[in-house]
Amino acid sequence: DGGITQSPKYLFRKEGQNVTLSCEQNLNHDAMYWYRQDPGQGLRLIYYSQIVNDFQKGDIAEGYSVSREKKESFPLTVTSAQKNPTAFYLCASIANRGPNYGYTFGSGTRLTVV
Amino acid sequence: ILNVEQSPQSLHVQEGDSTNFTCSFPSSNFYALHWYRWETAKSPEALFVMTLNGDEKKKGRISATLNTKEGYSYLYIKGSQPEDSATYLCALYTGTASKLTFGTGTRLQVTL
Repeated sequence: DGGITQSPKYLFRKEGQNVTLSCEQNLNHDAMYWYRQDPGQGLRLIYYSQIVNDFQKGDIAEGYSVSREKKESFPLTVTSAQKNPTAFYLCASIANRGPNYGYTFGSGTRLTVV
Repeated sequence: ILNVEQSPQSLHVQEGDSTNFTCSFPSSNFYALHWYRWETAKSPEALFVMTLNGDEKKKGRISATLNTKEGYSYLYIKGSQPEDSATYLCALYTGTASKLTFGTGTRLQVTL
């Protein structure tokens, strides 16, 4: 079945370390997105990519980096510059076909800084 | 940053009750509104994508309406069941790079 796979499900990071969250899709979708969820807040956009080798900052990109070397993959690196990295991270994708199509989401990664 | 608001924040109903929640959004430059259901430990799942003022969509016991002139959408659940327990998210499609701006969600709990 087609879908989005995020790994790992849980991740613990020491302060000062960089960590990379994986997001892989086999839906042949063009666009991919990273969102962050914090308690009491809506999902907030970190980075997005509409095509391979191109990506754009979202609303809260500081302290994060991404790459899009393959259509299927959009990894997110949480760097030591991210001041409050503990959160739930969701990856999503969509075929670029206009507003009538919903996102497909992964099941998320919960990152905790210890 | 667009402001998408959902109310109530949480809701607790008995099995068989019907319920509804609201999503409010800026009415200018409207493209589309999405509704998602997010069950615990699962991925959010698309319920409806609504684009036209006055639109009404239905999936089983769940339906949604859209008023783009006044900037709101209602989600209705008829005869709630325990399996309807989830967080319901609405999101405004901004028309730029297929980006969505999400509300904070309504958490529904249905008990026997």
